[in-house]
Amino acid sequence: DAKTTQPNSMESNEEEPVHLPCNHSTISGTDYIHWYRQLPSQGPEYVIHGLTSNVNNRMASLAIAEDRKSSTLILHRATLRDAAVYYCILIKWGADGLTFGKGTHLIIQP
Amino acid sequence: ETGVTQTPRHLVMGMTNKKSLKCEQHLGHNAMYWYKQSAKKPLELMFVYSLEERVENNSVPSRFSPECPNSSHLFLHLHTLQPEDSALYLCASSQGDGGAVNSPLHFGNGTRLTVT
Repeated sequence: DAKTTQPNSMESNEEEPVHLPCNHSTISGTDYIHWYRQLPSQGPEYVIHGLTSNVNNRMASLAIAEDRKSSTLILHRATLRDAAVYYCILIKWGADGLTFGKGTHLIIQP
Repeated sequence: ETGVTQTPRHLVMGMTNKKSLKCEQHLGHNAMYWYKQSAKKPLELMFVYSLEERVENNSVPSRFSPECPNSSHLFLHLHTLQPEDSALYLCASSQGDGGAVNSPLHFGNGTRLTVT
């Protein structure tokens, strides 16, 4: 499976945008890019996913590089409730389950 | 409320005990998963059930025994565990068509297991 690389931790201020990077230089053409996050004392929750084009939903935006070797999760206006570990995961069509890495621990300062 | 309910939330058991973890999903999904999350380690996929058939077993020791009696319920039976099995055990479900790509996994909030 292709691997992803994320910073161990990032810090941002409340009400400011947050850009969480993910490198996946060995991504294959059949890999989808998924993002999940895990709030304290909870299970992970789905955030967003994409293949080639940028994606937007009510939680976040996903910007995918043209060569697909990196992607960025964008939280447009961070709140204290966005403090969590964010996971960038590559998934092939038909694959069962997700393989999690260590993720990025996002800290939001008031 | 995630639609996936795990009980109990906390469990302390001795190494000679037998206990079971329960997971119930109310989302109409047809695939269910067990994950283990140990301190300082990434989540590890343990078992996958699709349409009540086990489709993946990631080299999990036999002291962990899953059971999926129907598409809404999943159990993890535990016996003669070791202290290093102490962890957060997470259950998840998905619709299963196309795997996890087009059907995001919905996780419960886990059972915190301590083996003494």
